[in-house]
Amino acid sequence: AQKVTQAQTEISVVEKEDVTLDCVYETRDTTYYLFWYKQPPSGELVFLIRRNSFDEQNEISGRYSWNFQKSTSSFNFTITASQVVDSAVYFCALSEVSNTGNQFYFGTGTSLTVIP
Amino acid sequence: DTGVSQDPRHKITKRGQNVTFRCDPISEHNRLYWYRQTLGQGPEFLTYFQNEAQLEKSRLLSDRFSAERPKGSFSTLEIQRTEQGDSAMYLCASSLTGLDTQYFGPGTRLTVL
Repeated sequence: AQKVTQAQTEISVVEKEDVTLDCVYETRDTTYYLFWYKQPPSGELVFLIRRNSFDEQNEISGRYSWNFQKSTSSFNFTITASQVVDSAVYFCALSEVSNTGNQFYFGTGTSLTVIP
Repeated sequence: DTGVSQDPRHKITKRGQNVTFRCDPISEHNRLYWYRQTLGQGPEFLTYFQNEAQLEKSRLLSDRFSAERPKGSFSTLEIQRTEQGDSAMYLCASSLTGLDTQYFGPGTRLTVL
């Protein structure tokens, strides 16, 4: 079973529109971490945010905001006033904490295209 | 801090040849991870090191794959007798500890002809 599901394969928006990228995860652990990474065309994964399972406060960083809801096992990512530079593939990831550390499970990614 | 670096960035090889990739993690990061990413997919975990010890290997890591981190600093990933199915982006990541954020390198894109 897929531990991280990103149902949106591709999204296109016009510049300055808001866009929300969905992420649903599955875990039986009570302690875990959730992440969002951005992968621009250059290929390098860029870390955006990390949340632990005990902190459900939403977070805002500039045009980016994240909505973590344990009740629905979702960790959605919203970009406000999108820009062309936001065009990239965005990955949601889950890290479960075991005795030997953590292993990452990535979703299949959402490819975002911002049209000028 | 220069971040995680990987070498080479691109590798084209013929089926049956051996290839070796190198990863230099962020200095003082104890954890080093290898992932494989194919087109349209997210990265898939291959293996990781705590200093020089290889602690976990994925089922994806067949006997043709071997990884080392001899001095707990840089790591190498070798693929023997490459197959066309090995064509992918190989990503390296490092973290300070097992509970910290993983930071990724630019990857090595392997093409097996």
